[in-house]
Amino acid sequence: NAGVTQTPKFRILKIGQSMTLQCTQDMNHNYMYWYRQDPGMGLKLIYYSVGAGITDKGEVPNGYNVSRSTTEDFPLRLELAAPSQTSVYFCASSSWGGPLTDYEQYFGPGTRLTVT
Amino acid sequence: EDKVVQSPLSLVVHEGDTVTLNCSYEVTNFRSLLWYKQEKKAPTFLFMLTSSGIEKKSGRLSSILDKKELFSILNITATQTGDSAIYLCAALKLGAQKLVFGQGTRLTINP
Repeated sequence: NAGVTQTPKFRILKIGQSMTLQCTQDMNHNYMYWYRQDPGMGLKLIYYSVGAGITDKGEVPNGYNVSRSTTEDFPLRLELAAPSQTSVYFCASSSWGGPLTDYEQYFGPGTRLTVT
Repeated sequence: EDKVVQSPLSLVVHEGDTVTLNCSYEVTNFRSLLWYKQEKKAPTFLFMLTSSGIEKKSGRLSSILDKKELFSILNITATQTGDSAIYLCAALKLGAQKLVFGQGTRLTINP
């Protein structure tokens, strides 16, 4: 049981390049999320998904796209990289056990992206 | 607009001290307040608080939620150098289970 895995761990992009950050979870969770964390800041929600085929915008979606064709995978696409997208990106997943159970989002190890 | 604010942003103490970290929130459709610890990499879950006034404890860490005043505190007693980390609080919203994070408190424990 690997939990949430992300690839790559590190990446350097030139301005205007595109890339896809991969995220996979093996816990059969319905909910998946993408966050970015800038230095000294908390996590900001980029996009989220409540199930295969359903995605929605979070707080900071501009410059990103997502898709969710399977329960396991939730890739994040950067189309035209800009220096403002330099950040650490975390993918997370969760399930909903009902109102009487604890809730937890499980995070992947993160991808450190630099755009120069 | 949803808002979660943590204080202090940074705290440096000596090993053995007790610290209190603060988290206030203004969030629509609020369900619960979560605390995470972040060392070099991904955040790891500490507590989830849903009911007001009920303390949750795990070893030297404890936390409580006040839903009337819209805040939570995280206490760490007898701090150790291994407690050095960024502590994040996040408000859980109903519906799509979205988390709204505060900016974090960077805690440094000196030996």
